[in-house]
Amino acid sequence: DAKTTQPTSMDCAEGRAANLPCNHSTISGNEYVYWYRQIHSQGPQYIIHGLKNNETNEMASLIITEDRKSSTLILPHATLRDTAVYYCIVLGGGTSYGKLTFGQGTILTVHP
Amino acid sequence: DAGVTQSPTHLIKTRGQHVTLRCSPISGHKSVSWYQQVLGQGPQFIFQYYEKEERGRGNFPDRFSARQFPNYSSELNVNALLLGDSALYLCASSEGVPGMTGELFFGEGSRLTVL
Repeated sequence: DAKTTQPTSMDCAEGRAANLPCNHSTISGNEYVYWYRQIHSQGPQYIIHGLKNNETNEMASLIITEDRKSSTLILPHATLRDTAVYYCIVLGGGTSYGKLTFGQGTILTVHP
Repeated sequence: DAGVTQSPTHLIKTRGQHVTLRCSPISGHKSVSWYQQVLGQGPQFIFQYYEKEERGRGNFPDRFSARQFPNYSSELNVNALLLGDSALYLCASSEGVPGMTGELFFGEGSRLTVL
């Protein structure tokens, strides 16, 4: 599975959009981009995933560039409860999605 | 519906001892994965089981073993505990077969401290 690069930490004001970037320049055609987050002392929580097209659900939006070498997770109206470590993960289409490779992630701090 | 449940939530062991951690997946989920999370790092994959068969193994020594029962619950066993085994052990369940896309549902974890 392709390696991902994320900023170590980011800040966001409450109520504003949080845009979390992820670089995955070696991604191949059948690999998906997944986002999970982990709030302190809890298990990771699935947010969203996509292959080529932009995706949106009740939690977030995922924007994947046309060349698929990078993506951005958007939390449209961040709240204090969104403070967490956010993990961007690339997973091969033929790979079991029970086996995720977590990196260091981005520590997002939402402040009042 | 109940989420993924793990037990015990916290435990303390001494070096050389053995530990068994338990996981009950979400009802209807047939796949269980185990992860180890050392303080300050992301979770690391240990095992995946689907339909009671091992479908994947991470880079962990043979001291780590697991199994899945007919009701799809799972146990993770660690023998000859080392100080470095101190970590949060996470269980995740999913409904689909390996190779399909989808989401993992994680439990709250079992925090193991080895003294």
